[in-house]
Amino acid sequence: DAKTTQPNSMESNEEEPVHLPCNHSTISGTDYIHWYRQLPSQGPEYVIHGLTSNVNNRMASLAIAEDRKSSTLILHRATLRDAAVYYCILRPSGTYKYIFGTGTRLKVLA
Amino acid sequence: NAGVTQTPKFRILKIGQSMTLQCAQDMNHNYMYWYRQDPGMGLKLIYYSVGAGITDKGEVPNGYNVSRSTTEDFPLRLELAAPSQTSVYFCASSYVPGSSYEQYFGPGTRLTVT
Repeated sequence: DAKTTQPNSMESNEEEPVHLPCNHSTISGTDYIHWYRQLPSQGPEYVIHGLTSNVNNRMASLAIAEDRKSSTLILHRATLRDAAVYYCILRPSGTYKYIFGTGTRLKVLA
Repeated sequence: NAGVTQTPKFRILKIGQSMTLQCAQDMNHNYMYWYRQDPGMGLKLIYYSVGAGITDKGEVPNGYNVSRSTTEDFPLRLELAAPSQTSVYFCASSYVPGSSYEQYFGPGTRLTVT
């Protein structure tokens, strides 16, 4: 299974944009990139996913490098509620299993 | 919709005891999953099911058993509890094929084996 590499932790000021990086240099052409986040004492929740093109939804944006070896999750205006562990996960097309890494712990400063 | 529900929220077991962690979903999802999360780590897949009557092993199945007799329920059984099974257990479900393969997670069961 292709692996992802994320920084252990990041900090951001409230109401500023946050860019969370993910490296996946061994990604294959059919691997989808998924992002989940886990708020304290809760189960993970879906944030966004993409294959090749950049994606936007109400929670975040996903920017995928042209060679697909890296991606960035963008939170446009961080709030205190966005403090969580963010997981970048590769999912091969046609499969249904995630391999979670240790993620990036985001701290948002008031 | 209640989504994915798990019971109990907390449990303390003695070594060698058995228990069943309950999981139910009301979204008519065909796929269901059990994960465990050790402190400071990501989630690891224990077992999953692609529909009633069909289950398969994930990354860390040893010491656990599952069954899926209905679409809604997916219980996880620990037969002989060991301290290494101290963890937080999450159940999840998803609809496949769907547009996102999004998994919906329950709130978790915190299990301590002493």
